[in-house]
Amino acid sequence: AQKITQTQPGMFVQEKEAVTLDCTYDTSDPSYGLFWYKQPSSGEMIFLIYQGSYDQQNATEGRYSLNFQKARKSANLVISASQLGDSAMYFCAFLSGGYQKVTFGTGTKLQVIP
Amino acid sequence: GAVVSQHPSRVICKSGTSVKIECRSLDFQATTMFWYRQFPKQSLMLMATSNEGSKATYEQGVEKDKFLINHASLTLSTLTVTSAHPEDSSFYICSAGTSSSYNSPLHFGNGTRLTVT
Repeated sequence: AQKITQTQPGMFVQEKEAVTLDCTYDTSDPSYGLFWYKQPSSGEMIFLIYQGSYDQQNATEGRYSLNFQKARKSANLVISASQLGDSAMYFCAFLSGGYQKVTFGTGTKLQVIP
Repeated sequence: GAVVSQHPSRVICKSGTSVKIECRSLDFQATTMFWYRQFPKQSLMLMATSNEGSKATYEQGVEKDKFLINHASLTLSTLTVTSAHPEDSSFYICSAGTSSSYNSPLHFGNGTRLTVT
């Protein structure tokens, strides 16, 4: 069974600074995808960024980038130039190539300080 | 981008009544939709996988008779909480993907906050 771990229950970052949210996973499947979602206090799940297991380069989407280290089975999210609106819960999610079930990490609550 | 609409966003019902939650894919067809439950300050817990035209697949520990799922078309799945009790109060959220590939992100509805009094 796949397992995904977020070890930081909460993080603080100063506005305009960069922050890294950790995510590690455990799988024996060769084909898989890793996703990051943002969940504001209103509850909706907002897709941020995706990394495929065969992707050679780290994914980037605007201020979001994914530090993918396949050998270490980690997929950390980097948010650059943090904004107050970035304060939210962030979930790392794993999808195996052989299944459609998405497994979520326990989440990290990010608070951006003015 | 793919849009998933979920309705209602909030519902309050009395104990013993049933509540239906709708999940629609607005601009794409979804053969599979997923229903999650989220307790306060916790992660999303997969309840069931809803397959168009067939029975839903429930996760271990989820009561099939309490949480009825119907996937009548490629754009609509419904979750009915039957004979609701206060312990069913939670945040329910659905998701759908545009393909079954592992490189296709799931898109989520905005969730339904259910309160059973």
